[in-house]
Amino acid sequence: KQEVTQIPAALSVPEGENLVLNCSFTDSAIYNLQWFRQDPGKGLTSLLLIQSSQREQTSGRLNASLDKSSGRSTLYIAASQPGDSATYLCAVPSGSARQLTFGSGTQLTVLP
Amino acid sequence: ETGVTQTPRHLVMGMTNKKSLKCEQHLGHNAMYWYKQSAKKPLELMFVYSLEERVENNSVPSRFSPECPNSSHLFLHLHTLQPEDSALYLCASSQESVRVGYGYTFGSGTRLTVV
Repeated sequence: KQEVTQIPAALSVPEGENLVLNCSFTDSAIYNLQWFRQDPGKGLTSLLLIQSSQREQTSGRLNASLDKSSGRSTLYIAASQPGDSATYLCAVPSGSARQLTFGSGTQLTVLP
Repeated sequence: ETGVTQTPRHLVMGMTNKKSLKCEQHLGHNAMYWYKQSAKKPLELMFVYSLEERVENNSVPSRFSPECPNSSHLFLHLHTLQPEDSALYLCASSQESVRVGYGYTFGSGTRLTVV
């Protein structure tokens, strides 16, 4: 059974810092990995989707990497801003690939 | 607008009420999902519909009843709920294919409170 772990559970940084969020998964036979952002009480916004054949994906100040063999992904946020404050979730398809298994998320607070 | 629209955004219902949650996707996807997010817990898959046919039901209580009349619409019918069913209910869609590799798009969710 696939398990997804995210470290740290919470992170508070001053504005302007570069930061790294970590995601690990137990079953490396994944099709892809997706990073989401969730604001309090809201739905999920997709940030980046990395296919199993890719090493990384970039979107603006965000860069996500994937190392299937070690079962790890990182989300790098450059020059953090208060507007980046949210919970960040990683998820991988598992089973028949119809089910997304989520981590518990990293709650990020960027202080002005 | 994410391409997946959920209504209502908020719902308060008594334990004896019957209500329905609605989800509509405008992305041309062929699979739709219901997820439940309770406080301090990871998201849990409730139901999967692929090509309008229910393919997985993760042991969800019968007081939750899904309906998928076509590939663009998904409903979750609720009856005789318990206070512990209070949560954020999220709808998602994706495009299933032989080459699995497409991402999921989520709606904004319905915040349900059972009193």
